[in-house]
Amino acid sequence: KNQVEQSPQSLIILEGKNCTLQCNYTVSPFSNLRWYKQDTGRGPVSLTIMTFSENTKSNGRYTATLDADTKQSSLHITASQLSDSASYICVVSGIKAAGNKLTFGGGTRVLVKP
Amino acid sequence: ETGVTQTPRHLVMGMTNKKSLKCEQHLGHNAMYWYKQSAKKPLELMFVYSLEERVENNSVPSRFSPECPNSSHLFLHLHTLQPEDSALYLCASSQDLLAGVSADTQYFGPGTRLTVL
Repeated sequence: KNQVEQSPQSLIILEGKNCTLQCNYTVSPFSNLRWYKQDTGRGPVSLTIMTFSENTKSNGRYTATLDADTKQSSLHITASQLSDSASYICVVSGIKAAGNKLTFGGGTRVLVKP
Repeated sequence: ETGVTQTPRHLVMGMTNKKSLKCEQHLGHNAMYWYKQSAKKPLELMFVYSLEERVENNSVPSRFSPECPNSSHLFLHLHTLQPEDSALYLCASSQDLLAGVSADTQYFGPGTRLTVL
C-alpha cells in the first residue's frame, strides 16, 4: 500500500532558527515528490517539485532534498520567519496506467515564535 | 491568489439540508479535483474531472454529488450529510491530469469550511 509518513507531526521553533522536516514514502513506481505549504484556513500552495533525477530544489529559504534510493525527502527552512508558521505537506506521485496517483502525507505543523 | 476561487468560504448546515459548494478556476486548466481535509488526517481525494468528464470517484458516499458543467467550474452538491462530514473541502485544478511533468502542479482554492449539525 502506498504511504507517505511525515515527521515530526508538529514542532515549535524560535524566529531566525533553522528546522528540517522529514518525509518517508513507500510509493512505487515513483514519479515525483512535492512539498506544499498550507496556512491556516487556506489551501495548500506548492513550494517545490522534484522528479527522480533531482536531489535538491530550493525556493527562497526553503530547500527540499530527495533520496530516491532510500525513499526519503526533507524540507529545510532557513532563518525562519513568523510567516513560516503553517502546515507543510509532502505529496508523492506514483505512476499508474491512467495517469499519476497522488498520496498525501499527514503534514507537519510548524509554529514559529518570536 | 492561486487563480482558484471557492464559495462559500464557510457553511453550516443541518443534516436534512441541501447545499452546493462552488469552485471556479481562472487558469485555463483541464483537470479539476475535490478533496476533503479532516482534522489531523491527510487530504483525501474525492473526485477528479478531466475535460468535464469524471475520471475518478474514490468510493465517496452518494450524499456527495459532483458536477462539472465546463472546464472552469466544479460543484459539489450536498444532501443529508452526517456530522462526520464536517471538514475543509478543497478544490484544485491542474493543466492536465498530473502526467508527471515536473512543471505541472495542482493549484488549490482556499477551501470551504463545512460544519454539519
